[in-house]
Amino acid sequence: NAGVTQTPKFRVLKTGQSMTLLCAQDMNHEYMYWYRQDPGMGLRLIHYSVGEGTTAKGEVPDGYNVSRLKKQNFLLGLESAAPSQTSVYFCASSYNLGGTGELFFGEGSRLTVL
Amino acid sequence: KNQVEQSPQSLIILEGKNCTLQCNYTVSPFSNLRWYKQDTGRGPVSLTIMTFSENTKSNGRYTATLDADTKQSSLHITASQLSDSASYICVVSTDYKLSFGAGTTVTVRA
Repeated sequence: NAGVTQTPKFRVLKTGQSMTLLCAQDMNHEYMYWYRQDPGMGLRLIHYSVGEGTTAKGEVPDGYNVSRLKKQNFLLGLESAAPSQTSVYFCASSYNLGGTGELFFGEGSRLTVL
Repeated sequence: KNQVEQSPQSLIILEGKNCTLQCNYTVSPFSNLRWYKQDTGRGPVSLTIMTFSENTKSNGRYTATLDADTKQSSLHITASQLSDSASYICVVSTDYKLSFGAGTTVTVRA
């Protein structure tokens, strides 16, 4: 049982390049999330999804797009990377939104934008 | 200003000693409070989840307390081990939103 898997784990981009981070979960969770983690700050929600085919904006959505074409996958895209998007990105999934639902995180994807 | 404040930012303790981490929050309405452990280079892993009616919860050597009246929580680590070296993150939840603290980095030295 892999849980939540993120790929790639590391990536270096030049300013203006595009890329996609892939998140896959095998727990049949409806809810999936993308967070970014920066030094000295708490995890911040970028986008989330409450089910296949649905997405919604979080706290810091600018510069990112997401898609949830299949229930098990949640993709995070950067169309034109900027140095401010250098961060560690975490995907998470849960069986409900908020409440006492357990949140399961992936191992993170470290992105550096030069 | 972050709605979840953790202190201290970091601490160093000797193996076998105890320590206590603090979390103060202003999030409202309150649904539950969670503590996560994040090892270096890994994703956060849940330690405890407490609802409004719970004022203490244990997970092995980890004991979390909650005072919903003063909006404070603490995480106590008993008889620390080298494997306890990690960042500990306090997360406060409304029904539909999670607010994350910046974390406390604990270093356990032999």
